[in-house]
Amino acid sequence: DIQMTQSPSSLSASVGDRVTITCRASQSIASYLNWYQLKPGKAPKLLIYAASSLQSGVPSRFSGSGSGTDFTLTISSLQPEDFATYYCQQSYSTLYTFGQGTKLEIK
Amino acid sequence: EVQLVESGGGLVQPGGSLRLSCAASGFTFSSYAMNWVRQAPGKGLEWVSYISSSTNIIYYADSVKGRFTISRDSAKNSLYLQMNSLRAEDTAVYYCARDRRSPAPGNDYYYFYMDVWGKGTTVTVSS
Repeated sequence: DIQMTQSPSSLSASVGDRVTITCRASQSIASYLNWYQLKPGKAPKLLIYAASSLQSGVPSRFSGSGSGTDFTLTISSLQPEDFATYYCQQSYSTLYTFGQGTKLEIK
Repeated sequence: EVQLVESGGGLVQPGGSLRLSCAASGFTFSSYAMNWVRQAPGKGLEWVSYISSSTNIIYYADSVKGRFTISRDSAKNSLYLQMNSLRAEDTAVYYCARDRRSPAPGNDYYYFYMDVWGKGTTVTVSS
């Protein structure tokens, strides 16, 4: 299986900050990398697919980059509604795998 | 409105069985592959199973292979997960998610992602 490793596991930031979360794959996955946002009691939300494509309806302050094994999710200016847990996920293999998650908390 | 609603969760004893359902609405269910994903308490997301739109392709995570069975009924716009021989480590919120593919620009291959999710149903395996 392809292992996905996110860093950091948790992050404290303030409204207006620029935040970057990284995700590393155990082997090359080209651009088969997606990012999701998870809030308690809510349906997970797709943010970015194919490493850098913004899902329809997602604010433009979210962006993704990378290819091969190293990827990043950037939030350009944190808003109060962005405090959540973020997961990367590879779809290169038919057996999808997720990173362990990054919890973004209010400083 | 595109929507997925899971049901069927509950408390079950170790070794028991449970059948989860996912009702789809607002889109042509028969045209999409579907997934089950779970989140154990205090843990991250774990992909569980995939079924193609035509049901001819099915995948399972190693952790559930041989115990769980995914199926679908397009006439009922529903996805199912039959869970047998349940263990404490199967305790989790179970989500269904629509599998979407988009063509890679200028190429003849596709990117895959899960674009619509339900809110989940909770399964607790405990004596």
